Amino acid sequence: GAGVSQSPRYKVAKRGQDVALRCDPISGHVSLFWYQQALGQGPEFLTYFQNEAQLDKSGLPSDRFFAERPEGSVSTLKIQRTQQEDSAVYLCASSLTGQGRYEQYFGPGTRLTVT
Amino acid sequence: AQSVTQLGSHVSVSEGALVLLRCNYSSSVPPYLFWYVQYPNQGLQLLLKYTSAATLVKGINGFEAEFKKSETSFHLTKPSAHMSDAAEYFCAVSESNSGGYQKVTFGIGTKLQVIP
Repeated sequence: GAGVSQSPRYKVAKRGQDVALRCDPISGHVSLFWYQQALGQGPEFLTYFQNEAQLDKSGLPSDRFFAERPEGSVSTLKIQRTQQEDSAVYLCASSLTGQGRYEQYFGPGTRLTVT
Repeated sequence: AQSVTQLGSHVSVSEGALVLLRCNYSSSVPPYLFWYVQYPNQGLQLLLKYTSAATLVKGINGFEAEFKKSETSFHLTKPSAHMSDAAEYFCAVSESNSGGYQKVTFGIGTKLQVIP
């Protein structure tokens, strides 16, 4: 079956622009996670959805970051007024449930470069 | 709070030699532990996971890891390195939180170089 897909794969934005990053999880997966991976670092948790409910957004770095999953499937991460420090790879992962014994499946990521 | 320390951001081994990537964790409760591999421009792929069933965990591509509670370690090994093993490897820990889901914390990664 299809894995997790993300689009676009690459995005270049001028400082101050808004961007929207899309994640298509594996069909039937209840849990969806967003991570930010800065250059040379491991992924860092941004936010977690269980179906359409955003249960944890403690990792979002500022109020410029917003995520949604309105129908419990596709999710969008939106960054308003992008800054250079937002440049990173944004990874989406889905899992059957949020329980630890279930693997998180990762998408290929969206590489965001803010100029 | 949970955390992961990966010792050595870069490791080089000769083809055919033993691969040893080190990981130490900190967790207030019995954790789940993972090793992921990331190839250039790709997402993370799970190599193996520890979920308390057995302390020696075997994964894909000939990798295995041993959970040692006394040392709070979960080192990744492979007896004989292949060129195709060159990638970045991430150790990760997760534990339940009040929301009832597992929040994963990743290490900074170790880049493995395999020398012909």
